[in-house]
Amino acid sequence: EAGVTQFPSHSVIEKGQTVTLRCDPISGHDNLYWYRRVMGKEIKFLLHFVKESKQDESGMPNNRFLAERTGGTYSTLKVQPAELEDSGVYFCASSQSSRVLTEAFFGQGTRLTVV
Amino acid sequence: GQNIDQPTEMTATEGAIVQINCTYQTSGFNGLFWYQQHAGEAPTFLSYNVLDGLEEKGRFSSFLSRSKGYSYLLLKELQMKDSASYLCAVSPRMDSSYKLIFGSGTRLLVRP
Repeated sequence: EAGVTQFPSHSVIEKGQTVTLRCDPISGHDNLYWYRRVMGKEIKFLLHFVKESKQDESGMPNNRFLAERTGGTYSTLKVQPAELEDSGVYFCASSQSSRVLTEAFFGQGTRLTVV
Repeated sequence: GQNIDQPTEMTATEGAIVQINCTYQTSGFNGLFWYQQHAGEAPTFLSYNVLDGLEEKGRFSSFLSRSKGYSYLLLKELQMKDSASYLCAVSPRMDSSYKLIFGSGTRLLVRP
């Protein structure tokens, strides 16, 4: 069974450009989460989808970030326009239940570098 | 505020035992997780503690003391492949248990 996959694995863009990150969760997992780790700091929660609905987006840093999950399958996270402080590793995770996180699986992350 | 502390780096010898400590101060507590992350790879789940005491799983064990806000991950019979970052994370609330609060991670280097 395929795990959580993220694309691209690395992205280098210039300040002011737009980048779209993609996450494909494990098939059948209704719950999808985005986290990020900015350089030198800890991983932080961004938002949570249940199927196609945003359940909790309290961790989104500002309105330059837009997450979607059309059809309740894969999700995209768009950063527009990107700023230098957006550099970091963006992780996606998925689970069947949002209450049993021991069954949540992470993707390998997308390393975003804004120059 | 929410705060999780763990050592930045540790070094140990193959075959030995190492203990990675984690202390936390959070607004609530709904369980503590340990993850292993090799460079460039996904964090993988190692253990979960919600009650005080020791949970053993093969070479890995995790301990929790809620009154002290303290946990440790114990790795026995260290192997070279155990060189990785170990992340301590707390779930502060049952109704939003996915909002994990992570420590910065401990980089463990296992030497021959």
